[in-house]
Amino acid sequence: EPEVTQTPSHQVTQMGQEVILRCVPISNHLYFYWYRQILGQKVEFLVSFYNNEISEKSEIFDDQFSVERPDGSNFTLKIRSTKLEDSAMYFCASSDVSGSGNTIYFGEGSWLTVV
Amino acid sequence: AQKVTQAQTEISVVEKEDVTLDCVYETRDTTYYLFWYKQPPSGELVFLIRRNSFDEQNEISGRYSWNFQKSTSSFNFTITASQVVDSAVYFCALSEAGRDDKIIFGKGTRLHILP
Repeated sequence: EPEVTQTPSHQVTQMGQEVILRCVPISNHLYFYWYRQILGQKVEFLVSFYNNEISEKSEIFDDQFSVERPDGSNFTLKIRSTKLEDSAMYFCASSDVSGSGNTIYFGEGSWLTVV
Repeated sequence: AQKVTQAQTEISVVEKEDVTLDCVYETRDTTYYLFWYKQPPSGELVFLIRRNSFDEQNEISGRYSWNFQKSTSSFNFTITASQVVDSAVYFCALSEAGRDDKIIFGKGTRLHILP
């Protein structure tokens, strides 16, 4: 069964460093998402991306975050200057259509630890 | 505003018992979608079910069943004859029609199935 893959599975970084989390969505999917889950808390929406632009973002997704689809297959989340509170599991997700409650498939997550 | 409430933070049952996970939601929309996701200890989010607001039929999939009641804004999930492998955090979630790229998750219920 096709799946969303994410790398790295776990990254430890120093505060202030830039981090790039990578995702390969399911190949025929057109809608891409990042969600975040701080340890022990609920999963929170960060951003959605379609047709090479952000379609919606949450208040969490401030100027230190950016997303990109650099080569038609990867979908990346960049955090420019990490803070301790950015430590969380970051989930990439994708879906093939929107506007119909279509299923969003999540990757296995990238666990980011900022020290 | 959208909101999903999972009042049960943690539940423990003995294997083979039935267990019901409660989910209550709030939305102003008449068209919306409800989801359940499973998060096993390995961390990934596993899609279980999507239900639209116009379909109040209960659904059964093997040992899993879902009871959707619009009158009480509830979408409860029952596991029959629970197994140790069912131990996980279960998230109920909601998205509104036209905003399907933003899923609102509940805080999750951690389910322990004891051997």
